Amino acid sequence: DTAVSQTPKYLVTQMGNDKSIKCEQNLGHDTMYWYKQDSKKFLKIMFSYNNKELIINETVPNRFSPKSPDKAHLNLHINSLELGDSAVYFCASSQSQGNTIYFGEGSWLTVV
Amino acid sequence: EDQVTQSPEALRLQEGESSSLNCSYTVSGLRGLFWYRQDPGKGPEFLFTLYSAGEEKEKERLKATLTKKESFLHITAPKPEDSATYLCAVLPSGGYQKVTFGIGTKLQVIP
Repeated sequence: DTAVSQTPKYLVTQMGNDKSIKCEQNLGHDTMYWYKQDSKKFLKIMFSYNNKELIINETVPNRFSPKSPDKAHLNLHINSLELGDSAVYFCASSQSQGNTIYFGEGSWLTVV
Repeated sequence: EDQVTQSPEALRLQEGESSSLNCSYTVSGLRGLFWYRQDPGKGPEFLFTLYSAGEEKEKERLKATLTKKESFLHITAPKPEDSATYLCAVLPSGGYQKVTFGIGTKLQVIP
């Protein structure tokens, strides 16, 4: 069983489109995250949710909107995609903040 | 702001040639330091958590150590399957407890 699963794994889309990435974890964790890994492989946090409540919201454009319908799910919706949004987006989870974070396999987003 | 610097950026070893990866950090108070392994096309895979200076943890050919300013990931007699990018991350003790990652060390082990 995959602990943190995200879909789609690959996404190629045109500038200006709106797209969503879905994430689910079956670890029973109460905290979920979205991380972005850019072309230089630098992994940076975007958002963190604890029990469906937004805890961390880094300096991310308003075009990015996370939604957590329940503790096991955290989706990422991106409006008006730009070329610079091309990156790998990782969903992750942990049991409370401050504990080990477990990552999904990543979603490769390419904006053309 | 918390900072994590990893060195070297890339390391090429012969199979069996032991070495160490360095992770230097600056954080107001350290709650924990994590090591992850990332294979191409995959998400980071958790290896170790270290909490206090002097702590050591081992797993197969890997041993992680921690001081007040840096952590080392020692690789003993590496094998080609150890080839990956190794990421270090710090968790501060205060604030929103946001984990900050280093850029990683890309390790290649040649048979």
